[in-house]
Amino acid sequence: EPEVTQTPSHQVTQMGQEVILRCVPISNHLYFYWYRQILGQKVEFLVSFYNNEISEKSEIFDDQFSVERPDGSNFTLKIRSTKLEDSAMYFCASSDPTEIQETQYFGPGTRLLVL
Amino acid sequence: GESVGLHLPTLSVQEGDNSIINCAYSNSASDYFIWYKQESGKGPQFIIDIRSNMDKRQGQRVTVLLNKTVKHLSLQIAATQPGDSAVYFCAENRNTGNQFYFGTGTSLTVIP
Repeated sequence: EPEVTQTPSHQVTQMGQEVILRCVPISNHLYFYWYRQILGQKVEFLVSFYNNEISEKSEIFDDQFSVERPDGSNFTLKIRSTKLEDSAMYFCASSDPTEIQETQYFGPGTRLLVL
Repeated sequence: GESVGLHLPTLSVQEGDNSIINCAYSNSASDYFIWYKQESGKGPQFIIDIRSNMDKRQGQRVTVLLNKTVKHLSLQIAATQPGDSAVYFCAENRNTGNQFYFGTGTSLTVIP
């Protein structure tokens, strides 16, 4: 069964450093998403991406964040200058817009720790 | 110091019993709902969905009930198994785009 994959599974970085989290969505999906989950808290929406541009973003997704689809398979989230409060699980998801309802399928996540 | 974070509702059931997990959603305009299961260290896994024009939908061992009058969603798991132990989230789509809003989650523990 096709699934969303994410790399790395864990990332430790120093405050102020840039990180890039990578995702490979399900191959025939066209909508891509990033969510985050701070330890012990709700899953929160960050951004959705379609047709090579951001379609929606939340107030969390400020200028420190950016997304890119550098090729036909990868979808990345970049945090330019990490802060302590960016420590969280980051989940990528994808959906198929041809489905009647666009169920979002999640990857296993990247655990980011900012020191 | 004071801990920050949500205190998850918890539910413990005996293996073989039925489980009912409840969720209150916030926006009456929401038209699509999903139940996700999240095991420790993993991403949310789709279980079952329901649209707002339905009040019940059944899957394999799971049933979702939707009460739009009181904005309440429930997930029923029949014959609960140890592998069902996880945190269960409801997520709502508010018909304004593709983002889903997740609930706080319920931690289900199945006692063998």
